Amino acid sequence: NAGVTQTPKFQVLKTGQSMTLQCAQDMNHNSMYWYRQDPGMGLRLIYYSASEGTTDKGEVPNGYNVSRLNKREFSLRLESAAPSQTSVYFCASSEGRQGHQPQHFGDGTRLSIL
Amino acid sequence: KNEVEQSPQNLTAQEGEFITINCSYSVGISALHWLQQHPGGGIVSLFMLSSGKKKHGRLIATINIQEKHSSLHITASHPRDSAVYICAVDSWGKLQFGAGTQVVVTP
Repeated sequence: NAGVTQTPKFQVLKTGQSMTLQCAQDMNHNSMYWYRQDPGMGLRLIYYSASEGTTDKGEVPNGYNVSRLNKREFSLRLESAAPSQTSVYFCASSEGRQGHQPQHFGDGTRLSIL
Repeated sequence: KNEVEQSPQNLTAQEGEFITINCSYSVGISALHWLQQHPGGGIVSLFMLSSGKKKHGRLIATINIQEKHSSLHITASHPRDSAVYICAVDSWGKLQFGAGTQVVVTP
């Protein structure tokens, strides 16, 4: 069972470059999420998608865009990367809306911006 | 100030010891989650609870809604329990995470 798959696992960017983090789930879940994790801080929600065709801002959306391509895939885009976006990014999915069902996490993407 | 506080931040125990991790929160919630993050970075959901107590193997989670407090207990700890344990509260659609507790269990 693949669960939640994130690509790439590691990436180094230069300031100003753009990139897209990919996430796919094979559990037929309705809701998908993007989080960032920084040292000494809890996971923080960037964007979420409660269902196919909808997306909403989370706690720290600035500098990011998302696309819910279909029920399986939810991508996160950095249009112009900044050093403050150096972080570990996690994608997650759940059967129902946020918090009312267990969330299943990908293995994370370690992103460094120089 | 984070609305979800975990204690301790770090914990070292010897194999076989009983471990307790605490989580206090300041918002009204509809559910509380305990997660485990392995040294390699992967995160798995351990428990979701809204009242009382849940048990899975050597892990026990309790919650006191009135006191806005939850605990995660690990009985007969083992080195494979070494991980970061994360508390997260669901405040009616908004999930907020604690900073995590780093647990190291030595043989």
